[in-house]
Amino acid sequence: GENVEQHPSTLSVQEGDSAVIKCTYSDSASNYFPWYKQELGKRPQLIIDIRSNVGEKKDQRIAVTLNKTAKHFSLHITETQPEDSAVYFCAASGTASKLTFGTGTRLQVTL
Amino acid sequence: DSGVTQTPKHLITATGQRVTLRCSPRSGDLSVYWYQQSLDQGLQFLIQYYNGEERAKGNILERFSAQQFPDLHSELNLSSLELGDSALYFCASSVNWGLDEQFFGPGTRLTVL
Repeated sequence: GENVEQHPSTLSVQEGDSAVIKCTYSDSASNYFPWYKQELGKRPQLIIDIRSNVGEKKDQRIAVTLNKTAKHFSLHITETQPEDSAVYFCAASGTASKLTFGTGTRLQVTL
Repeated sequence: DSGVTQTPKHLITATGQRVTLRCSPRSGDLSVYWYQQSLDQGLQFLIQYYNGEERAKGNILERFSAQQFPDLHSELNLSSLELGDSALYFCASSVNWGLDEQFFGPGTRLTVL
């Protein structure tokens, strides 16, 4: 089955700096890669996703890149703000639509 | 608010007991997914239903079962509960069974004592 690895597990950045979270996946058939943000005690919420026919997608301060050859994808957050502090999960899904999540990255944005 | 509802919000029970968690998907969504999130852990996919039929299965224990009813709400049944079953259980829904955004409910926090 699919295996998704996510790094780093914790990330601390200063407000205004950029943050990058990286994920690798094992199943070459995977073709949908969402990123979820989960604040403490709350539900995961989709922040951006990318499909395998696209190499990069951007939404304001958030961008995701996908390298299908290397089987890795990354989340980039620019100009980080304190409200970006949360746990971020990457995920990969193939034709079965089963989402396999990474283990999460706890992002802390300090003032 | 994602439009996905889950009840109850909290559940405290004893080992060996059986509980039922309920989920109502967003209006129009045909797929329902169940996930387990243990303390400081990621999201473990349990099972997916699409329009009443089981569509995909993850690492769901034999003590756990689920179903999706004709009105598309879903129930997750957990039996012979163990301490290790204590976790946050999320339900999510999506329009189809394919590569659609999944909308998560608020979760049910299960504590097994």
